[in-house]
Amino acid sequence: QVQLVQSGAEVKKPGSSVKVSCTASGGTFYSDAFTWVRQGPGQGLEWMGTIIVLLGITDYAQNFQGRVTMTADKATSTAYLDLTSLRSEDTAVYYCARVRGCSSTNCRRNHWFDHWGQGTLVTVSS
Amino acid sequence: DVQLTQSPSPLSASVGDRVTITCRASHSISNSLNWYQQKPGKPPKLLIYEASGLQRGVPSRFSGTGSGTDFTLTISSLQLEDFATYYCQQSHTSPQTFGQGTKVDIK
Repeated sequence: QVQLVQSGAEVKKPGSSVKVSCTASGGTFYSDAFTWVRQGPGQGLEWMGTIIVLLGITDYAQNFQGRVTMTADKATSTAYLDLTSLRSEDTAVYYCARVRGCSSTNCRRNHWFDHWGQGTLVTVSS
Repeated sequence: DVQLTQSPSPLSASVGDRVTITCRASHSISNSLNWYQQKPGKPPKLLIYEASGLQRGVPSRFSGTGSGTDFTLTISSLQLEDFATYYCQQSHTSPQTFGQGTKVDIK
């Protein structure tokens, strides 16, 4: 059974950066893809981007271009989300999820998120 | 971007009710539509993929239909554990987008 365990809650100052980790077990990490989704307080779900682990191919949402970097460490089966230039509106719970329906180079039009991490609360406050 | 609009929002129902949630896409997305359930303080849980595929382990009272721009999630007989918020999500076009969510609460 695939399990995704995320790093703990973070409190950050405006303008700083945060790095959230997502460690996978029970699957084949190197052949998987992982996505990041965030949820502001009382808000809906917002897709941030996806990384295909084998070749490190990424697809970022336009809203986060220039501020987000997604990486994956095959040696430790860990995916990372790096978000810079934090502002108060970035206060949210950040989720990682495994993506089904991706090859080593791209995700098919039909793909979905079948296993999720527990979420990491990032609070941005001065 | 493809906009997804869910209705109704919210939805009040009783145990045993048949419940239908609709998700309408701003552009045709074929069958590239997934449904998730989320309970407070928990991550979303995949229920339905590719519009009608039942995720392993999900009770058969959940079903999904639709293609193109109109999709539905149906719970045939609402159980106590089904009171939650439901989201549709399209994977047809980047950026992937979610509906605004439909909260199912107790009437």
